[in-house]
Formats: sequence, C-alpha cells, structure tokens
Amino acid sequence: AQKITQTQPGMFVQEKEAVTLDCTYDTSDPSYGLFWYKQPSSGEMIFLIYQGSYDQQNATEGRYSLNFQKARKSANLVISASQLGDSAMYFCAMREGSLRGGATNKLIFGTGTLLAVQP
Amino acid sequence: GAVVSQHPSWVICKSGTSVKIECRSLDFQATTMFWYRQFPKQSLMLMATSNEGSKATYEQGVEKDKFLINHASLTLSTLTVTSAHPEDSSFYICSAVLGRNFYEQYFGPGTRLTVT
Repeated sequence: AQKITQTQPGMFVQEKEAVTLDCTYDTSDPSYGLFWYKQPSSGEMIFLIYQGSYDQQNATEGRYSLNFQKARKSANLVISASQLGDSAMYFCAMREGSLRGGATNKLIFGTGTLLAVQP
Repeated sequence: GAVVSQHPSWVICKSGTSVKIECRSLDFQATTMFWYRQFPKQSLMLMATSNEGSKATYEQGVEKDKFLINHASLTLSTLTVTSAHPEDSSFYICSAVLGRNFYEQYFGPGTRLTVT
C-alpha cells in the first residue's frame, strides 16, 4: 500500500539559512510522482515542486529543490535562503502510476511539517 | 496560472441542515476534481474523485449519501454535506486537474465548515 511519511512535526530555521524537510515514501509501483505543497495559515495549498520517478535529475524550482534518492525512497525538500514568508505547513504527496497507464492523479499526503522561520 | 475558487470560504450551520460547497476552475476546464477534508493540524484526506458527467468515486469510509458530489460541468463541482453534524466540522478543500495528461493539481482556497 502506498504511504508517505514525514517524521518532522515541526522545524525551526534562521532567516537566510537553508532547511531540509524530510519525506519518505512506500510504493510497489515503479512509476509514481512526488509533490511538495506549502499551506500557509490561510489554508490554500500551493504547489512547489514535482519529481517523477523516472526523472534523471533532481527537480529544482527557484529556491526549492528536491533531493530525490530513489533507492532510499526519500524525496526531501530543500529550501535555500529561507525567508519569513516561508513559515507554513509543508506537505509531501505521492501519485502512483503513470498517466499513460491510467493513473487517476489521486494524491496521498503525508502528515506535514510545520516550518517556522526565525528572524 | 490556473485558478480554482471555492464558495463559501467559511460557513456556520445548525446541526441537521445541509450545506453546499462550490468548487470552480476559473480559467480552465477540469474533467477531474478532487474533494479533500482536513481536520485541524492534520493532513489532507481524499474524500472523493469527481468526474465531469459521471458519478463520483468515493474513498473507503466516506459516506456517499452524506457527502453528495455533483460535477455537472467542466468548471464546476459541488459538495453537499447533508444532515450535517458537529463531527462534520472541518476544512474542505477541492482541487482540479488541468487536462487529462497534466500532473499538477490546482487547489482551491478551502471552505471552513462549522456545524453547531
């Protein structure tokens, strides 16, 4: 059964420093996608970054990068140069299957990590 | 970018009444929309998959007669919480998929339901 695990309920980071949010996953499907979302206190889910299981390189989007270690089944999010506005809840999520194979885009979410950026 | 709206953003209702929540894709057509539920300080739990023109697919443990989903057009899905009870109080979030082969889900801002 597919599962996403985020072991850090909360994290602190100093402004301008980098922080890594952990995510491990479990799936028996060789084709899958991994996502990170940010949820500020207002509640909306903001897409940050995506990594496909067959992607050769780690995904990067601005200050966000995904440290994808397939053998370890981990997909940690790295935020560089933290800003006060980065304080939010961060969720790792997984979609099983390839879209060509008929995957439904259904996402399974981890329990989240609350990040607090300190000035 | 793709925008998804939800209405209302918050609602308070009395126990036993029904509440309808709308999810709209504002600038794209969404053949598939998802409804999630989030309790305070917890993760998002998928409730159902809403497909335009067909019946919704509910996740295990979600009562289809209590949470009625209608996806009548490519830009609108509705979730109706029937005979609401205090335990239905939660944050309800919808998402829409852009096209059939695009991996991103665009989330609405959420609706906070409080049942008194």
